[in-house]
Amino acid sequence: TQLLEQSPQFLSIQEGENLTVYCNSSSVFSSLQWYRQEPGEGPVLLVTVVTGGEVKKLKRLTFQFGDARKDSSLHITAAQPGDTGLYLCAGLVGGTYKYIFGTGTRLKVLA
Amino acid sequence: DTEVTQTPKHLVMGMTNKKSLKCEQHMGHRAMYWYKQKAKKPPELMFVYSYEKLSINESVPSRFSPECPNSSLLNLHLHALQPEDSALYLCASSQERGVGGYTFGSGTRLTVV
Repeated sequence: TQLLEQSPQFLSIQEGENLTVYCNSSSVFSSLQWYRQEPGEGPVLLVTVVTGGEVKKLKRLTFQFGDARKDSSLHITAAQPGDTGLYLCAGLVGGTYKYIFGTGTRLKVLA
Repeated sequence: DTEVTQTPKHLVMGMTNKKSLKCEQHMGHRAMYWYKQKAKKPPELMFVYSYEKLSINESVPSRFSPECPNSSLLNLHLHALQPEDSALYLCASSQERGVGGYTFGSGTRLTVV
């Protein structure tokens, strides 16, 4: 069974602080994505990383895919209340349409 | 059009009822998915349709019956559900083999009474 473990599970920080969320697995994935989900809504895709070691930046968000394509991290600089939500990583099982979702990190940014 | 539209947004049904959830996309995506999400948990895959054919069924009970009438539509027929089936049901679509990630709908919040 392929599992994606995210850490931390919960994070409550003050506006302006930096944070990093981790997504780890013992399995290799063809690609990995990060989503943010707000209450009562579907997840919204933030980024897709495909190549081992790849780093992508999206404004204050930096995403990294591990060299072995088994893990990923999401770093947020100067967090804002609008960043509050459930962050989910999802790994694509090679050769299939199947994405495995991580256990989730619930972030709350206080003003 | 870059959206996945799900209806209804909320549904309350009895254990003897038959209802259907609907999902529509017009992005030309050829893969469509049903996910189930319980409170404070990540989404769990139920079904995958590829080119209107069922390609993955994650051992979902037969009281959930998916249907893909055409490349833009995906339905989930519900019959004789249990209270523990109450959850947020999410539809998603993607290009072939999940390339580019999923586009999710806003979900249907289902309550079984």
